[in-house]
Amino acid sequence: GDSVTQMEGPVTLSEEAFLTINCTYTATGYPSLFWYVQYPGEGLQLLLKATKADDKGSNKGFEATYRKETTSFHLEKGSVQVSDSAVYFCALSLYTGGFKTIFGAGTRLFVKA
Amino acid sequence: DGGITQSPKYLFRKEGQNVTLSCEQNLNHDAMYWYRQDPGQGLRLIYYSQIVNDFQKGDIAEGYSVSREKKESFPLTVTSAQKNPTAFYLCASSIPNEKLFFGSGTQLSVL
Repeated sequence: GDSVTQMEGPVTLSEEAFLTINCTYTATGYPSLFWYVQYPGEGLQLLLKATKADDKGSNKGFEATYRKETTSFHLEKGSVQVSDSAVYFCALSLYTGGFKTIFGAGTRLFVKA
Repeated sequence: DGGITQSPKYLFRKEGQNVTLSCEQNLNHDAMYWYRQDPGQGLRLIYYSQIVNDFQKGDIAEGYSVSREKKESFPLTVTSAQKNPTAFYLCASSIPNEKLFFGSGTQLSVL
């Protein structure tokens, strides 16, 4: 079935380090891909999205490129800050008689000063 | 302000009892969703609805039921058939295939 697999956390980095969170998907058809972020004590909010192959989503210094050949949508940021500490969820949206959004398990990121 | 309202924030269920979680949105979105969030397991889709009077089962629908009688409302009933109901429940809405807007969630616990 349709699914999203993310790297397990927690990921712990020092401030200004490079971040990669891996995400791969399995889907019948051509999904749209999303990254959501959940800051401590808050709800989920959209970070970025891409709707077709080779699209790059970007926001707040984060980037992810829709790679159809590797069914991946890895999240990257060149220099993380303490304020980036949160849980990051990769997700896909797919039409199966109605649009449904499926999430990965989430990856918790801790950034140390 | 537009948004999604979930209530109650905390809910307790006794053995054999059905409980209903409320979800209301004033964003004029056609699509609404219910997810269950367990520690370390991310969000799992329970039910989703694209239009009034229509809904589809998600990955973990057993032990749950929903209705969509109005565009603004998508209540979730956790039935006595759901043997492990303790979890954080999130409701969301969207324009189909666009980003989801989430409510603040309901924490359900078993007495």
